[in-house]
Amino acid sequence: ELKVEQNPLFLSMQEGKNYTIYCNYSTTSDRLYWYRQDPGKSLESLFVLLSNGAVKQEGRLMASLDTKARLSTLHITAAVHDLSATYFCAIYSGGGADGLTFGKGTHLIIQP
Amino acid sequence: GAGVSQTPSNKVTEKGKYVELRCDPISGHTALYWYRQSLGQGPEFLIYFQGTGAADDSGLPNDRFFAVRPEGSVSTLKIQRTERGDSAVYLCASSQDWGAGELFFGEGSRLTVL
Repeated sequence: ELKVEQNPLFLSMQEGKNYTIYCNYSTTSDRLYWYRQDPGKSLESLFVLLSNGAVKQEGRLMASLDTKARLSTLHITAAVHDLSATYFCAIYSGGGADGLTFGKGTHLIIQP
Repeated sequence: GAGVSQTPSNKVTEKGKYVELRCDPISGHTALYWYRQSLGQGPEFLIYFQGTGAADDSGLPNDRFFAVRPEGSVSTLKIQRTERGDSAVYLCASSQDWGAGELFFGEGSRLTVL
């Protein structure tokens, strides 16, 4: 069974600090997604990582993918309150399964 | 429309009733997905359509759940004999094609079964 594990599941941090969210998965995949979800809202696509070593950055967020280690990271630089949300990673496992498998999400609170 | 549209946004029903949830994908997107998200969890895959056909329905929990997409655009998720455990947010997403990168999600339909 495919497993996608995020760590931590809950994070409270102060503005201006740096932190990293980790996403481990249990099977080979060359396609990993990061989404943001605000309370009561839908999922907003942040990054699509398509190959080993891929790194993408948007503002204070940077995502990377290591397919050999089956690990993706989402790094937050100099956090601001507006980044408070729940962040999900998700992968395609292939093998006939056409849907994304999501992690449980990391609930991030950034305090002024 | 500009984005994925889902109706109703909220639905409260009684145990045993029948429910339909509608999804209108982004125009031109051939791939359509239904997911279910329970409180505090990540979305769980239910079913995927490529055009009019259900290419993968392996995520449907049981035969009370059924989905159609008769003209390859709008899709309806149908739940028969609803149970309290069906309460969740049902999310629809579309993409230009399967695996074509980004999936665009709708706002979801929040189903509450009393």
